[in-house]
Amino acid sequence: NAGVTQTPKFRILKIGQSMTLQCTQDMNHNYMYWYRQDPGMGLKLIYYSVGAGITDKGEVPNGYNVSRSTTEDFPLRLELAAPSQTSVYFCASSYRQGNSNQPQHFGDGTRLSIL
Amino acid sequence: ILNVEQSPQSLHVQEGDSTNFTCSFPSSNFYALHWYRWETAKSPEALFVMTLNGDEKKKGRISATLNTKEGYSYLYIKGSQPEDSATYLCAFGSNTGKLIFGQGTTLQVKP
Repeated sequence: NAGVTQTPKFRILKIGQSMTLQCTQDMNHNYMYWYRQDPGMGLKLIYYSVGAGITDKGEVPNGYNVSRSTTEDFPLRLELAAPSQTSVYFCASSYRQGNSNQPQHFGDGTRLSIL
Repeated sequence: ILNVEQSPQSLHVQEGDSTNFTCSFPSSNFYALHWYRWETAKSPEALFVMTLNGDEKKKGRISATLNTKEGYSYLYIKGSQPEDSATYLCAFGSNTGKLIFGQGTTLQVKP
């Protein structure tokens, strides 16, 4: 099993550009998550999904969009990149998580710089 | 807004020292407390998931305890080794399936 795979690993964008961060998992996990990690701030939840066709906002969703057309894939879209979106982005997945009692499995992260 | 606090923010110890850090979380609507280990340039990896008051978990030299009534968890490392150097994250889980992460404790073990 590859686990959770994120692409790309690094990207530099200009202000106003758009891009999609890809995330795929091969563990047949229902739940998937997108986090951003800023220095000294821990992980902040952007969006999450409890299954194909269902997504919901996390703590910091502004400026992002997601979709979940399949169990495996959960792409994160930045429509108009802003410097405040410079961060490291982590995708994670877990087995059904109704009581938060399943560990999350993380991808290796995407380091994004907006200049 | 739920708050998860970890202390200390960073810690430097000598090889062989034992150490511990704290995670404080809301004592209401508790479902689970997670601990993750995050090495530099890698992704966070789950250490423990604890759900019951009084839970104690152990993995090698690392152990954790949970007090849900007062809202804290301790992570202990016995006989720290340089390879234990990492950031340790705790996360509070409610009934939504979402986790609220603390800001982490960064441990540096000097040989």
